[in-house]
Amino acid sequence: EAGVAQSPRYKIIEKRQSVAFWCNPISGHATLYWYQQILGQGPKLLIQFQNNGVVDDSQLPKDRFSAERLKGVDSTLKIQPAKLEDSAVYLCASSLIESRISGANVLTFGAGSRLTVL
Amino acid sequence: AQSVAQPEDQVNVAEGNPLTVKCTYSVSGNPYLFWYVQYPNRGLQFLLKYITGDNLVKGSYGFEAEFNKSQTSFHLKKPSALVSDSALYFCAVRGTYKYIFGTGTRLKGLA
Repeated sequence: EAGVAQSPRYKIIEKRQSVAFWCNPISGHATLYWYQQILGQGPKLLIQFQNNGVVDDSQLPKDRFSAERLKGVDSTLKIQPAKLEDSAVYLCASSLIESRISGANVLTFGAGSRLTVL
Repeated sequence: AQSVAQPEDQVNVAEGNPLTVKCTYSVSGNPYLFWYVQYPNRGLQFLLKYITGDNLVKGSYGFEAEFNKSQTSFHLKKPSALVSDSALYFCAVRGTYKYIFGTGTRLKGLA
């Protein structure tokens, strides 16, 4: 099966500019996640969608970050305006639908989009 | 609140020797525990998971992990390391709807 697709793989921008990342999950995966991975740290969840609804966005800096998942498939993560501390790899992951019963679904990750803010 | 700790930033192991990468967790209720591996410029890849049952879980590439409820640990192990096992390893715990990842341990296999 095709994996999780992300683009662009690399992006360099100056601070205060904007950037958008795109993710196409595995077909049939209802749950989609965006993680931020800063160098030397573990992935931090930014936002979790189930179909096209938001399950958790408690750690998303909403003053500058936004994300959408129209039609419950592809998703876009936007940063505007970017700050130096946003330099990181943005990982998209997907899984089968989450529920209290399903328990431990495995996440499938894309290769990530590396952002450098100068 | 749920959390995961990986106390070692890096582990060096000679090829052929057994390896252990440590992980401890904190979660209310029964834990769902995972190990993922990340190679350079790649996303995370699933290695193995513990849901319930046998405390020794076997996964991909000869890796296994031991669940210890009393010590709240889920250490990753491999009987005989390879240089190609060199990568970044992440432990994760799944609580209510949310996955929490540890900070990662870099494994360096030595020839």
